[in-house]
Amino acid sequence: QVQLVESGGGVVQPGTSLRLSCAASGFTFGDSAMHWVRQAPGKGLEWVAVTSYDGSNYYYGDSVQGRFTVSRDNSRNTVSLEMKRLRPEDTAVYYCAKGPLAIAANSYFDLWGRGTLVTVSS
Amino acid sequence: IVLTQSPGTLSLSPGERATLSCRASQRVSSNNLAWYQQKPGQAPRLLIYGAANRATGIPDRFSASGSGTDFALTISRLEPEDSAVYYCQQYGKSPSITFGQGTRLEIK
Repeated sequence: QVQLVESGGGVVQPGTSLRLSCAASGFTFGDSAMHWVRQAPGKGLEWVAVTSYDGSNYYYGDSVQGRFTVSRDNSRNTVSLEMKRLRPEDTAVYYCAKGPLAIAANSYFDLWGRGTLVTVSS
Repeated sequence: IVLTQSPGTLSLSPGERATLSCRASQRVSSNNLAWYQQKPGQAPRLLIYGAANRATGIPDRFSASGSGTDFALTISRLEPEDSAVYYCQQYGKSPSITFGQGTRLEIK
């Protein structure tokens, strides 16, 4: 079954850290760039980060640059998002999404997970 | 690149045709524009990529067109299940990816 399953969300205090994971199955994980996209409650979609097929290239959105780190483990078919110095405005559902190509940092997303909710609140 | 979608909300009846607009603040290179459908509580679903190419499994009631800065998604023969929020996304300017704010489509 072709799917992405996110985990790791929860309620955290401002200034703390959290690590999200996404497990992929049903496709050749190592052939695809992988992205994180978030959606604040009741709001639109915001692209967060991308890692290339082998993890050698990665890019971030302006709002998370320097605080978030994306990584992947192709032996375990997982991609992770390490989030540090979290802010209330980081509160969102975080989706893992697959790009159609191996390297392209800019792409559409042809497969999405169901998301995991991160709430940053004191 | 800022994407502006209009209208904000569209209310139509079953069987009618919906036309959703997406306008970019700069030219979208190589027509790298996609459309997604998102229903409440669900992840977005890819409908269109490359401005006019239907994704796998998307019915031909969904069509899209446009180039440069002006793009449109058309849904013909509306069905109640088409009620959703529709987003456009540009991926022409690496590495920045942006989405429009969404159009809510209500089928009554």
